[in-house]
Amino acid sequence: IAGITQAPTSQILAAGRRMTLRCTQDMRHNAMYWYRQDLGLGLRLIHYSNTAGTTGKGEVPDGYSVSRANTDDFPLTLASAVPSQTSVYFCASSSNEGYTFGSGTRLTVV
Amino acid sequence: QKEVEQDPGPLSVPEGAIVSLNCTYSNSAFQYFMWYRQYSRKGPELLMYTYSSGNKEDGRFTAQVDKSSKYISLFIRDSQPSDSATYLCAVRGAGNMLTFGGGTRLMVKP
Repeated sequence: IAGITQAPTSQILAAGRRMTLRCTQDMRHNAMYWYRQDLGLGLRLIHYSNTAGTTGKGEVPDGYSVSRANTDDFPLTLASAVPSQTSVYFCASSSNEGYTFGSGTRLTVV
Repeated sequence: QKEVEQDPGPLSVPEGAIVSLNCTYSNSAFQYFMWYRQYSRKGPELLMYTYSSGNKEDGRFTAQVDKSSKYISLFIRDSQPSDSATYLCAVRGAGNMLTFGGGTRLMVKP
């Protein structure tokens, strides 16, 4: 099934730990994005990548890093998790017709 | 001021009602306007996509854009319980980056 695969689907993480959220697409889209979704704040862009080998900062990049070694994969890393990073994280890719989103990773930092 | 404002709801209507969902935006450079539907614990999925001002109809759904007043609307006719979801408006400028509203939660009661 064509689309975006995110892993894990949910995770409870101790503060201070490192965590990588995985995202893979099979649509060969050039552009990919990471959003976090919080109640009352909607979807906020963390990082994006317009093409393999390039990345850029979004609205809320602090505490997060990304890499784009190839077209299909766009992992998001939390170097040292803090409770304010508790959120639902969505990966997306885009074509001219719009964005395709994954099902999300629900992350709780305790 | 946020770039895209959307009433968070919740909006509760009886089955069969006409639903009107609205957003306002601040930047007149936005050219592409989208509505996404998000079911609970799922990623957003593209519902409607319009370019510039005017109406676009797809079955029971009509998207309307008024660029002069910077106002975006989504109308749902003959609403069904399966329409219960969060609806997010999104706008896009010259690049491929989307800016989302905070989402309106809709509940259609049988």
